Amino acid sequence: EAGVTQFPSHSVIEKGQTVTLRCDPISGHDNLYWYRRVMGKEIKFLLHFVKESKQDESGMPNNRFLAERTGGTYSTLKVQPAELEDSGVYFCASSHRWGTEAFFGQGTRLTVV
Amino acid sequence: DQQVKQNSPSLSVQEGRISILNCDYTNSMFDYFLWYKKYPAEGPTFLISISSIKDKNEDGRFTVFLNKSAKHLSLHIVPSQPGDSAVYFCAASPHSRSNDYKLSFGAGTTVTVRA
Repeated sequence: EAGVTQFPSHSVIEKGQTVTLRCDPISGHDNLYWYRRVMGKEIKFLLHFVKESKQDESGMPNNRFLAERTGGTYSTLKVQPAELEDSGVYFCASSHRWGTEAFFGQGTRLTVV
Repeated sequence: DQQVKQNSPSLSVQEGRISILNCDYTNSMFDYFLWYKKYPAEGPTFLISISSIKDKNEDGRFTVFLNKSAKHLSLHIVPSQPGDSAVYFCAASPHSRSNDYKLSFGAGTTVTVRA
């Protein structure tokens, strides 16, 4: 069974540019989460999809961040325009509908210069 | 406001000895706790969990202890092996009370097992 896959693994962009991160969850997992780790600190929750619906987006930093989950399958996280403080590692995780154990992808390291 | 805290950023232990990692939380709504292990350039991988109805859960070399009154949990690794060298994250969620599965993480503890 394939795990959670994230693309790209690294991205370096200039301030003001747009970046789109992609996450392919484990097949059959209804729950999809986005998390971010900044500067070696704690991993912080961004948002939670149940299938294609946003269940909780309380962790989204501001309206420069837009997440979508087309058809309840893969998800994208767009940052537009990117700022320096957006740099960090963005993790995607997925789990079964009533599952308590979330499986994480390898993360996308975003560097805004 | 950080609701899960791991106050020891690093831990060094000799191979074969016990590693003890600590975690404190502040949110009384948390009722499910997990430990994740992370190697460089990889995502966190689930290690072990415990529900608030228990005070201990064991899986091979890994045991998690929960002290609800103190809002404290710990992870014991016995015996420690070189492959255990990684960053360990404590995480918590209030899922059974609010149907909320999102995780609140600590900042992690880097464990180094010396040969």
